[in-house]
Amino acid sequence: GAGVSQSPRYKVTKRGQDVALRCDPISGHVSLYWYRQALGQGPEFLTYFNYEAQQDKSGLPNDRFSAERPEGSISTLTIQRTEQRDSAMYRCASSAHPSDEQYFGPGTRLTVT
Amino acid sequence: SQQGEEDPQALSIQEGENATMNCSYKTSINNLQWYRQNSGRGLVHLILIRSNEREKHSGRLRVTLDTSKKSSSLLITASRAADTASYFCATATSNDYKLSFGAGTTVTVRA
Repeated sequence: GAGVSQSPRYKVTKRGQDVALRCDPISGHVSLYWYRQALGQGPEFLTYFNYEAQQDKSGLPNDRFSAERPEGSISTLTIQRTEQRDSAMYRCASSAHPSDEQYFGPGTRLTVT
Repeated sequence: SQQGEEDPQALSIQEGENATMNCSYKTSINNLQWYRQNSGRGLVHLILIRSNEREKHSGRLRVTLDTSKKSSSLLITASRAADTASYFCATATSNDYKLSFGAGTTVTVRA
């Protein structure tokens, strides 16, 4: 079946603009996670949802970052007033249940100029 | 902060040899997952091992878990050029299931 998909795959934006990154999890997966990965490092947790409920947002760097999953399926990660330090690969993952394997999407490469 | 730490940071082996990498972590876990990443591309899930398991196999991969030492190992047998990649371990606690990743082991398989 289809895996986790993310869009756009690449996003270049000017500093100060808002961006919205989309994640479409594997159909039926309860849990959805957002991570951010810097070059040469492992992913770092941002936030996660079970169904539509945001369970943990402790990894969001500041209040410019927000995420939602209103119908318990597709999720959007929004970054307001982007800064150059926000440039990174943003990865989404989903799992059938919270303690199961997390399958990652291809990521969105965000570049803030 | 990252909980898992892989060792070694880099590994270079000849095709056909075995590759072993280790992961250490700090707090009690619910499960530990290993991933492969080729040249900064997607993260491919390899194996999940739960805290009550000691060993799992998948094809040429063997994962062990020692919760008393808070460590895990990934063994790749009969390596191939296509195994060239970065390998990450990631841990999930029972309080929440977000993954905490290490910095990875870069494996190069020479033909």
